[in-house]
Amino acid sequence: DTAVSQTPKYLVTQMGNDKSIKCEQNLGHDTMYWYKQDSKKFLKIMFSYNNKELIINETVPNRFSPKSPDKAHLNLHINSLELGDSAVYFCASSQVKGGSNQPQHFGDGTRLSIL
Amino acid sequence: AQKITQTQPGMFVQEKEAVTLDCTYDTSDPSYGLFWYKQPSSGEMIFLIYQGSYDQQNATEGRYSLNFQKARKSANLVISASQLGDSAMYFCAMRERGGGADGLTFGKGTHLIIQP
Repeated sequence: DTAVSQTPKYLVTQMGNDKSIKCEQNLGHDTMYWYKQDSKKFLKIMFSYNNKELIINETVPNRFSPKSPDKAHLNLHINSLELGDSAVYFCASSQVKGGSNQPQHFGDGTRLSIL
Repeated sequence: AQKITQTQPGMFVQEKEAVTLDCTYDTSDPSYGLFWYKQPSSGEMIFLIYQGSYDQQNATEGRYSLNFQKARKSANLVISASQLGDSAMYFCAMRERGGGADGLTFGKGTHLIIQP
């Protein structure tokens, strides 16, 4: 009965490869997010996706692309992986329509390591 | 300029003592929300408490309370009667624009260690 689940938990791959991280939420939320946590533990929003509206953080390289097949899923696809992409990636969801007091529920994170 | 400032990179506290984790924020939006999250060494992000900019009373959730001082733009987290299991990273975060889908802005976190 996991609320926000993301797979895989660990991802080790070579520079230049393309990879995807999957995220699913069973909370019925209307908005999903992707965050990046760097080696210093700093969390930064990458994308939010609400009713087919994508809001992109302008600092995110266009090698990163979110893909949402339906309201419960927001996958993250990364092309041409670089060393600097090594980080923990968190998926989250919230019910924005319910009001600004709705917390975001996070998945357990995907630790991406680029060799 | 940082939107969320947590000035304590690390703290050591004796078990059973109360802990205050500092958080100041910067926004010109009259409608915003402030959140605290806990991240234990296992890595997951756990929501602790929320304070809305229009809330008249300070938020409380069990042993957690939020000392909200709007004029000072501070939202400190208070943990009463600390326990060993409280050892973790703690993040203060803000959502602006009254609940828009723009995500949370996080502070750099405070690493809290509870000593027996």
